Order: sequence, then C-alpha cells, then structure tokens
Amino acid sequence: ETGVTQSPTHLIKTRGQQVTLRCSSQSGHNTVSWYQQALGQGPQFIFQYYREEENGRGNFPPRFSGLQFPNYSSELNVNALELDDSALYLCASSLSGQGGSPLHFGNGTRLTVT
Amino acid sequence: LAKTTQPISMDSYEGQEVNITCSHNNIATNDYITWYQQFPSQGPRFIIQGYKTKVTNEVASLFIPADRKSSTLSLPRVSLSDTAVYYCLVGDMNTGFQKLVFGTGTRLLVSP
Repeated sequence: ETGVTQSPTHLIKTRGQQVTLRCSSQSGHNTVSWYQQALGQGPQFIFQYYREEENGRGNFPPRFSGLQFPNYSSELNVNALELDDSALYLCASSLSGQGGSPLHFGNGTRLTVT
Repeated sequence: LAKTTQPISMDSYEGQEVNITCSHNNIATNDYITWYQQFPSQGPRFIIQGYKTKVTNEVASLFIPADRKSSTLSLPRVSLSDTAVYYCLVGDMNTGFQKLVFGTGTRLLVSP
C-alpha cells in the first residue's frame, strides 16, 4: 500500500510569484484535503476535493485554488504569494462514505516566501 | 463543527503510562474521534480512531465514555521517541472529515 506522497519537499519563492504543490493519494482513497501549518501551530484546513470537485473550504482567499485528477491525485496552487504564506503544506487523503477511513497525511511541502 | 480542548503540554518519563484527555462537548452523532501524532517537519501520523467505548491497537488505547463528550488517549510505557505533538480531532468519516479542525495539540515531552 503506497502512502500519501507530496512534491516538492522544499520550495523557495519570491513574494508575488505563483506556486504549484502536488500530492499523490494513498491507493484506494477518493478524497483529498489540503492543510496549511504555520510554525508552532496546528494544521489549518484549506479545502477538500471529492470526485474532482471542491466540496469544502476553510477560511482561505481565492488565490488558493486546487485540482483533483481522475486518479485522485491533487494540486494546490497559490497565486500572488505573500510572506505569510510561508508554511508547511500538508496533503491528506481518505476514503469517504460508508466504511470510510481516517485521514492519512503526507510529510508536506515546506514553502518559504522571501 | 465540534471543537476540541486538550492540555497544551505534558511531561513524562520513559516507561510510564501517559493519558491525554480531550474534551469535545459538541460532538455530533456521526463524528468519530481520531488521534494523530506529529513530529517536527513531518505530517501528522494516524494513531487510533474510535466511535464509542474502548479501542486498542498495537500502539495505544482510546477510551470514550458513553456520553462521548471526552476521550482519553493512553500510551503504555512511553519511550523518548514518543516525544511529539498529539492532536485530538472529531469529524464525520462519511464526508471525508470535511473541514477537520486541528487545535494546538498536546506537546508531550518524555525524559529519560
């Protein structure tokens, strides 16, 4: 069973740039969620994708967007990067519905905005 | 969405049993209780999940009283490698744990 994998592991960007982070779900999972974790804080929910559609969103501006592909992998895109976007971005997959599973997290992408 | 409250930090020694209690007064009927462990610069790792009564696996036990308004994670005989942040979460498995809310977690420090 392959776990959740994220790429890249580290990334440095300049304020105003755009970034795309990628996530491969654990096999058998159909739902992907993205979280932002600032240093010393708990993860904050960004959004969730199910059947290639966003079906839940946290308190993040529209410049945070995402995609889920037919193979259940996912991307997180952030436009117009700000210094406060520096954080660990976590992807989690799960199986929704009857007999579902807990969230399984990847090890994240560490984004630094300078 | 059910909010959880846990102690900010706990200290223990190697070989002791550690019990971390989480309060979730507004838990909904369809919510499950899940505990995660997180080491620095890693993603949270699933420890245990339950709905009611007691659940045990190879690393921990989860005790849930009948009213489900709290839960206790029990780590038997902790070691130095159990030093981490532990998060208690409640969410509906059927919706893929939509908008799962993490608190600040409990920082467990295990000393020799």
